[in-house]
Amino acid sequence: KAGVTQTPRYLIKTRGQQVTLSCSPISGHRSVSWYQQTPGQGLQFLFEYFSETQRNKGNFPGRFSGRQFSNSRSEMNVSTLELGDSALYLCASSFGGPVGMNTEAFFGQGTRLTVV
Amino acid sequence: GESVGLHLPTLSVQEGDNSIINCAYSNSASDYFIWYKQESGKGPQFIIDIRSNMDKRQGQRVTVLLNKTVKHLSLQIAATQPGDSAVYFCAENAGGTSYGKLTFGQGTILTVHP
Repeated sequence: KAGVTQTPRYLIKTRGQQVTLSCSPISGHRSVSWYQQTPGQGLQFLFEYFSETQRNKGNFPGRFSGRQFSNSRSEMNVSTLELGDSALYLCASSFGGPVGMNTEAFFGQGTRLTVV
Repeated sequence: GESVGLHLPTLSVQEGDNSIINCAYSNSASDYFIWYKQESGKGPQFIIDIRSNMDKRQGQRVTVLLNKTVKHLSLQIAATQPGDSAVYFCAENAGGTSYGKLTFGQGTILTVHP
């Protein structure tokens, strides 16, 4: 059974540019969450999608956005990149059960974004 | 200004010893907890989870203990091996409308010496 796949693994972008990251969840999983990991702030929640709908959002500026497709694959976009956006971006997939029902979340390898 | 990196707690053990990694959580509404292991250059790897209606759960070589009274979670690793060296994170979810949102602890660096 394939795990969570994130592409690309590494990216180098220039300030002001925009970037799109992709996440393919484990087959059968309908929930995809995104996280930013930095040495200074640790792992921070960005947003979560389920059945193409954003159900939850963290405290990040509007430059960070995402979407989910009908096959549960998800993309996140960061516009007008800043140096501080350099981080490891991780996505996690889970079944995404009924309201209030938590299920195991499995992470991909992440995309290492460097903004110069 | 310059950001200050997190100063992660560290735990250093000898191969074969038992390891205990602790985590304090702040949200009394949290009802689901997960332990993850993260090796350098990799994403967090699921180890074990526990729901708030339990106080102990065992897996292969690992045990998670939950004390809701003091909001404390611990991960016990039996017969620790060099391959267990990694950063360990606890994560919590508050249930309800907190879909897919895990709040992570700062992490603990575990180093296992052969």
